[in-house]
Amino acid sequence: DVKVTQSSRYLVKRTGEKVFLECVQDMDHENMFWYRQDPGLGLRLIYFSYDVKMKEKGDIPEGYSVSREKKERFSLILESASTNQTSMYLCASSLWHGSGYQPQHFGDGTRLSIL
Amino acid sequence: TQLLEQSPQFLSIQEGENLTVYCNSSSVFSSLQWYRQEPGEGPVLLVTVVTGGEVKKLKRLTFQFGDARKDSSLHITAAQPGDTGLYLCAGFRGDSGGGADGLTFGKGTHLIIQP
Repeated sequence: DVKVTQSSRYLVKRTGEKVFLECVQDMDHENMFWYRQDPGLGLRLIYFSYDVKMKEKGDIPEGYSVSREKKERFSLILESASTNQTSMYLCASSLWHGSGYQPQHFGDGTRLSIL
Repeated sequence: TQLLEQSPQFLSIQEGENLTVYCNSSSVFSSLQWYRQEPGEGPVLLVTVVTGGEVKKLKRLTFQFGDARKDSSLHITAAQPGDTGLYLCAGFRGDSGGGADGLTFGKGTHLIIQP
């Protein structure tokens, strides 16, 4: 069965810290995504990657960066955490396909609190 | 950013009733997906609709894609408590050619089916 694993279910950090959220998929998927989910705002795309070392900005990339050194791993980095980055973070992966509409497989999320 | 408007935002009904959830946009999507998310978990794909006017059935769930591919609906017949969850529609623009664009999500419909 497909599996997307996020390293932490809950994380508490302090303002100004550099925070790393890790995501690993075991499906050999080309595409990987990071979203954040907030009440009343839904899921919003932060960054995505369609290949190793490639990255593209999503709708809300400010304050975040990403790293994809290996195909199976996609990391989200909060360079200097702020309280407005308290949120649920969801990682997803999908198979590359020319027609584009492959299902996205999600991890169970990391609930991040910035104090 | 193209928007997907979901309605209603919240819905609480009794077991055995029927319901319809709507997903509307002013923009055309090449495909549209419906996901269900349960507390503490990531969204899980229910269905993908691709062709304008397409209807797909998944047991008691019926999904329809509008003729103009700007809207979709999810109809549940004889709702059961196990249908409780957050229902998300997500549109794929399909203009990247590479299938790597993140999905545009609606804000979701919180559905509660009371026994």
